[in-house]
Amino acid sequence: EAGVTQSPTHLIKTRGQQATLRCSPISGHTSVYWYQQALGLGLQFLLWYDEGEERNRGNFPPRFSGRQFPNYSSELNVNALELEDSALYLCASSWVAGHPSGTYEQYFGPGTRLTVT
Amino acid sequence: ELKVEQNPLFLSMQEGKNYTIYCNYSTTSDRLYWYRQDPGKSLESLFVLLSNGAVKQEGRLMASLDTKARLSTLHITAAVHDLSATYFCAVDRETSGSRLTFGEGTQLTVNP
Repeated sequence: EAGVTQSPTHLIKTRGQQATLRCSPISGHTSVYWYQQALGLGLQFLLWYDEGEERNRGNFPPRFSGRQFPNYSSELNVNALELEDSALYLCASSWVAGHPSGTYEQYFGPGTRLTVT
Repeated sequence: ELKVEQNPLFLSMQEGKNYTIYCNYSTTSDRLYWYRQDPGKSLESLFVLLSNGAVKQEGRLMASLDTKARLSTLHITAAVHDLSATYFCAVDRETSGSRLTFGEGTQLTVNP
C-alpha cells in the first residue's frame, strides 16, 4: 500500500512569491493534516482538512491556506513568502475520527523543504 | 492550551546502556504517540498509546502511558547506534480536532 506522498521534494522561492505544496493521502484516508517544522520552532500544526472542508487551523496567518480535493488530496498555499517561512512542511493523513479502526493515527509523508531567499 | 514537554532534549549514550525519555503533557489527552525522525527525513510512527497503563514494546524500545500523571516514557534497552535519531512524543484531543501537539523532541546519539 502506498504511503503519503508529497511534491515537490524541495522548493526554492524568493520573498513575496507564492508557494504551492501538494499532498496525496493513503488510499482510504479522508483526513489530511499539514505541519510546519521550522528550525528552532519544532513541529507546529497548520491545517486539518476532512471531506473537503477545513476543520481546524493552527496559529498561523491567513496567508497560509489550502484546500482538499474530491479525491482527498490536498494543497497548501503560502502567499507573500517571508524568510521565516523556510521550513520542512509535512503532510499527514488518517482515518476520520470515529472510523472503526479506532486509532486516528496520523501517517506522515516525506515532506517538502521550502527555502525562501 | 495543551502543552507537551520532553526531557531530556539531548541525550548522548553509549551502546549497551539503558535510558528513559520522558514526555509530560498539560491537560487530559485522548491519545499519545511516539515518532522517530532521522535527519532530513519525515516522521516514522513508533507507538500509539490509547489508555492508562498501556505498554507497548518493539525491539529495544518500550513505551508506557500514565494518564493520571500525564506522563509517558520511552525506555531504551541496550542501545545500539541505529537508534540514533530524534524522538518526538505527541498528543491529541478529539475536542481539538485530532491536531497533534508535539513535544520539542529528544535528540538521541548512541556512541560506539
